[in-house]
Amino acid sequence: GAVVSQHPSRVICKSGTSVKIECRSLDFQATTMFWYRQFPKQSLMLMATSNEGSKATYEQGVEKDKFLINHASLTLSTLTVTSAHPEDSSFYICSASGRETSTDTQYFGPGTRLTVL
Amino acid sequence: GQNIDQPTEMTATEGAIVQINCTYQTSGFNGLFWYQQHAGEAPTFLSYNVLDGLEEKGRFSSFLSRSKGYSYLLLKELQMKDSASYLCAPGKGANNLFFGTGTRLTVIP
Repeated sequence: GAVVSQHPSRVICKSGTSVKIECRSLDFQATTMFWYRQFPKQSLMLMATSNEGSKATYEQGVEKDKFLINHASLTLSTLTVTSAHPEDSSFYICSASGRETSTDTQYFGPGTRLTVL
Repeated sequence: GQNIDQPTEMTATEGAIVQINCTYQTSGFNGLFWYQQHAGEAPTFLSYNVLDGLEEKGRFSSFLSRSKGYSYLLLKELQMKDSASYLCAPGKGANNLFFGTGTRLTVIP
């Protein structure tokens, strides 16, 4: 149990376009979802936390107008990178915690590798 | 503030035992998580310690001392597939974790 999926796993886009990444909890209700970004050989950096039905809480330094997060249901959250630029190229990982998980922990999706040309 | 200290890299031999240490200072603390992350993949949950002491789970064990702000992950009977980064993440709970840069473990034959 406690499986989180992410789609797409890999995306390449042109500078200036927008990219949407989906995160789904497949077998539990995710009351809270998290979005992280990770650059090569660096730590996971929390971008934002979202609770179902409410606005996301962004970490300091993360532009909320650039990284749009929607957590419309207990099983789905989306991250949209608007007007992407090459410096946005990174590994984006979502995680979820909530009811029906066997442990009080975050379960991570497989990640999305974004490359902006 | 938060401060997490782990060795950056470690190397160990297949079949051996390795201990990865983590010291931390956080503004709020309920427990400490350990995650494994293979290159290019998302982290996977290994353990969660809330109380002091050692918790064993197969080849992996995790230890916590709350008073010392110290934890370690012990890996026994190392296998080549154990080559990965190991992330120490203290926090207030599942919804409030702080990740360090992790320890990159290389297992050699």
